[in-house]
Amino acid sequence: DGGITQSPKYLFRKEGQNVTLSCEQNLNHDAMYWYRQDPGQGLRLIYYSQIVNDFQKGDIAEGYSVSREKKESFPLTVTSAQKNPTAFYLCASSSGLPRGYGYTFGSGTRLTIV
Amino acid sequence: GENVEQHPSTLSVQEGDSAVIKCTYSDSASNYFPWYKQELGKRPQLIIDIRSNVGEKKDQRIAVTLNKTAKHFSLHITETQPEDSAVYFCAASITDSWGKLQFGAGTQVVVTP
Repeated sequence: DGGITQSPKYLFRKEGQNVTLSCEQNLNHDAMYWYRQDPGQGLRLIYYSQIVNDFQKGDIAEGYSVSREKKESFPLTVTSAQKNPTAFYLCASSSGLPRGYGYTFGSGTRLTIV
Repeated sequence: GENVEQHPSTLSVQEGDSAVIKCTYSDSASNYFPWYKQELGKRPQLIIDIRSNVGEKKDQRIAVTLNKTAKHFSLHITETQPEDSAVYFCAASITDSWGKLQFGAGTQVVVTP
């Protein structure tokens, strides 16, 4: 599905529970990114990673954590510290230099806290 | 950091008319400006992009213009069709600095027959 797969498509969790969103790519892209999408606010960067075992906080990293143990995988954990986690989450990847060209997005995970 | 503002937030046009969406950016070091189209319930898809060494780029009915001095860029869609209805996002990045894109808030375009 476009080389980058997010799962699940829909996710429901109770307040106070941590939840992990999966993102896998087979494009051999070095860089991977997590964005959050809320109505009327566009896409906001949560975390990004250029290489395995290295990642950087984006604009809204509080309450989230990530890992990059494999080039293909960049899972996002939404922790109980995230005050308003209900949103649409998009994962993206891009090839090497020049960085940022050719973002490919996954199909997204819609997380709802009940 | 970079801040991208996008206007208008909604745009309604008659089929066959043109649509223009404008974005401004704050970081003069930004050098890459893509536009994404997101249809309802789907992932954003790149429709056109422009680099800072050119002022205009065209691809069939879509064109993008860039004014580096004023730090703004615009998307132009001519001869709009109902399938152009979607949310459009502009973005900006510095390609030698992690490549992370800063997005505008999006424009909901509705093309009425």
